[in-house]
Amino acid sequence: DAGITQSPRHKVTETGTPVTLRCHQTENHRYMYWYRQDPGHGLRLIHYSYGVKDTDKGEVSDGYSVSRSKTEDFLLTLESATSSQTSVYFCAISEYEAGGHEQYFGPGTRLTVT
Amino acid sequence: AQRVTQPEKLLSVFKGAPVELKCNYSYSGSPELFWYVQYSRQRLQLLLRHISRESIKGFTADLNKGETSFHLKKPFAQEEDSAMYYCALKGNTGKLIFGQGTTLQVKP
Repeated sequence: DAGITQSPRHKVTETGTPVTLRCHQTENHRYMYWYRQDPGHGLRLIHYSYGVKDTDKGEVSDGYSVSRSKTEDFLLTLESATSSQTSVYFCAISEYEAGGHEQYFGPGTRLTVT
Repeated sequence: AQRVTQPEKLLSVFKGAPVELKCNYSYSGSPELFWYVQYSRQRLQLLLRHISRESIKGFTADLNKGETSFHLKKPFAQEEDSAMYYCALKGNTGKLIFGQGTTLQVKP
């Protein structure tokens, strides 16, 4: 497996509480991504980063924010968790975007918002 | 609009039977297409990409621009092929757009 870890791996939280998920890579790849995986929707891009302090929104960014202060860490924050954010969250990294380069995925974080 | 459609949520076949996982896309321009796979308790990983024209684990996928399809095929399914399969399109922003996923179940 590419050197990608996610923490925590499982979390149960209450509606209205803030939650931060962490993605850590040891590959020194430039691009990092956060996806959510939901039945019937596949994987949808939440936010991505193309360098330290350089981030942008994906398809389903409402209710989420991200930060990347170091190459190796990409944080996803739910400012006030809602039940619709119950999902499995995947981080991915990529060395390049062009030319069909592969994305490498982390193990996922299962988040339940009660 | 850029979109990937995998019409089958679940595909169930017997071991040794042929497999075809369907993928249709909507994209104006030359598409870049991929198949990713997630085996039980493993990470999502790249299976193959159309530009490589490769065969991985016996799977192939041919890009058909006329039918806007990129179906994944294997002539003889094995039990270890059971997994979730995602078709993905690299959109014009450079980001991957995933289909809904198809669970392949290969029965003994």
